[in-house]
Amino acid sequence: IAGITQAPTSQILAAGRRMTLRCTQDMRHNAMYWYRQDLGLGLRLIHYSNTAGTTGKGEVPDGYSVSRANTDDFPLTLASAVPSQTSVYFCASSGGGAGTGELFFGEGSRLTVL
Amino acid sequence: GQNIDQPTEMTATEGAIVQINCTYQTSGFNGLFWYQQHAGEAPTFLSYNVLDGLEEKGRFSSFLSRSKGYSYLLLKELQMKDSASYLCAVTDSNYQLIWGAGTKLIIKP
Repeated sequence: IAGITQAPTSQILAAGRRMTLRCTQDMRHNAMYWYRQDLGLGLRLIHYSNTAGTTGKGEVPDGYSVSRANTDDFPLTLASAVPSQTSVYFCASSGGGAGTGELFFGEGSRLTVL
Repeated sequence: GQNIDQPTEMTATEGAIVQINCTYQTSGFNGLFWYQQHAGEAPTFLSYNVLDGLEEKGRFSSFLSRSKGYSYLLLKELQMKDSASYLCAVTDSNYQLIWGAGTKLIIKP
């Protein structure tokens, strides 16, 4: 593994189902983030974690939850998916805070909720 | 509110020069980033400006004027592989990143 790995890369999901997007990094970065990217909009922060054991809410947290049990893993869970959660989801990490240093992104997870 | 404005789409010719503008209104300022994103791929870091002036990195340069709330990304000697979206992002007073919607750059032969 080099950098950030996301899984799955693509998923079609029925509304109401639970879904977990996985994210793993091997750079030992303290900070990790989940963004969603929708056409015509900028990247929007869903949740973040400044260090293992801590998480925080971003701009659009409703309907999503995260955990940060260790430095490497930062899964994003949709408890009960809705069509408005159809989007491309990017996991990212940085050595410092997002606003102070380069972000490294995973390849994205394209989620379609029907 | 906080806002980042970029043109939605631009077209340029291979070998030419193009300037992509970004204007911002944010609560405070702690730096401005440019990222490149090819279609279907992840964004990748291009540049970071925190002080006024021009930062040059090969064919790409980024300029910042904090007093005008303005930045531009300058791409020289355009190549077909430069066809991508270019994302401007600003760090506000709380060190939160605010993202623009991106500028899709189309390069024609």
